[in-house]
Amino acid sequence: AQSVTQLGSHVSVSEGALVLLRCNYSSSVPPYLFWYVQYPNQGLQLLLKYTSAATLVKGINGFEAEFKKSETSFHLTKPSAHMSDAAEYFCAVSGMTTDSWGKLQFGAGTQVVVTP
Amino acid sequence: GAVVSQHPSRVICKSGTSVKIECRSLDFQATTMFWYRQFPKQSLMLMATSNEGSKATYEQGVEKDKFLINHASLTLSTLTVTSAHPEDSSFYICSAKSRRGVSDTQYFGPGTRLTVL
Repeated sequence: AQSVTQLGSHVSVSEGALVLLRCNYSSSVPPYLFWYVQYPNQGLQLLLKYTSAATLVKGINGFEAEFKKSETSFHLTKPSAHMSDAAEYFCAVSGMTTDSWGKLQFGAGTQVVVTP
Repeated sequence: GAVVSQHPSRVICKSGTSVKIECRSLDFQATTMFWYRQFPKQSLMLMATSNEGSKATYEQGVEKDKFLINHASLTLSTLTVTSAHPEDSSFYICSAKSRRGVSDTQYFGPGTRLTVL
């Protein structure tokens, strides 16, 4: 079974500072990994996804994530935080078994607060 | 592209009544739709998966008789919460994907806030 763990339920960053959100996965087969963002009272928006092509994946709004097999990680980064980045971020892995095929397993989420 | 809508965005109902939530893919055909439930400050919990023209498959612990799902067309899925009770109050989110591959993106609706009095 696949799963993801997000380290840190809350992250506070200063405007202009680096944003780093941690995600580690567990999978017996090469995983497909996703990062989504959720603004208050809204659905989820895809930031980026890893599908076994390039290990460094660039997404929308200046975010990128690097797949590191040796560390079983898929951390999300943005060089310079903007006030509009304040939101909840979810890491997810796509199920690969017969029962879980194509279903997303989400991490617990990380709330990002951006301070002026 | 890849827009998913939900209706209504917010609904308040009395205990014992039924509520229907619609999920539509506006610019693509959704072979598969998913229904999630999200409690405040928590992650999304998958309730069920529906494929067009077939019965929905429910996750363990989700009552299929209480949460009725119909995926009648390639652009519409509905979730009906029957005999709703206050503990059913939650944020319900649907998602849709155009293909069934594991790497294919799920596109999410904006969610429906259900409050049962």
